[in-house]
Amino acid sequence: NAGVTQTPKFQVLKTGQSMTLQCAQDMNHNSMYWYRQDPGMGLRLIYYSASEGTTDKGEVPNGYNVSRLNKREFSLRLESAAPSQTSVYFCASSERTTNEKLFFGSGTQLSVL
Amino acid sequence: AQSVTQPDIHITVSEGASLELRCNYSYGATPYLFWYVQSPGQGLQLLLKYFSGDTLVQGIKGFEAEFKRSQSSFNLRKPSVHWSDAAEYFCAVLNNAGNMLTFGGGTRLMVKP
Repeated sequence: NAGVTQTPKFQVLKTGQSMTLQCAQDMNHNSMYWYRQDPGMGLRLIYYSASEGTTDKGEVPNGYNVSRLNKREFSLRLESAAPSQTSVYFCASSERTTNEKLFFGSGTQLSVL
Repeated sequence: AQSVTQPDIHITVSEGASLELRCNYSYGATPYLFWYVQSPGQGLQLLLKYFSGDTLVQGIKGFEAEFKRSQSSFNLRKPSVHWSDAAEYFCAVLNNAGNMLTFGGGTRLMVKP
């Protein structure tokens, strides 16, 4: 039972570098999400994909892009990383668009120096 | 826009003692409310949710929460805490469109032996 799988688990970048965080789910869920978690701020939604072929901005989309590659995979790209993007990133999925229950990956800890 | 406040950043209780974690929300209509738990190094797991009906909601791991509209609260309770309950707890509210969860800042629970 893999559930939601994120890679990598840890990453250190220099300012201005780019990278892509990968996420895949094996539960045949329609909706997928990318959150960032910062101390004292809970989780904030970056982007989501209600269904294959669609993506929408969340609360904090600036500096990020996403691709819903197929129903299973939803990637998050940082084109030019900034120290403010140092955070823990979580991918999640849910069966329907009304995210009644989210299933989370185990997170990616990203540091931008 | 909706918001969620968790007034207690840290709480320490003794094993076997009762627990109440506070959550206050701001939302114009009848809210859809959630509690999630995050164990160290893991993603979030749904404990329980309230959509409508009975205001006392039972969840997994012996947790319950009570929705009080007059107080705009959705506090999480457990009668007897176990050491394995040590984790961070997040309250969340779903937006009108049903496509975005807003999380509180979280409460970190520590359990003394």
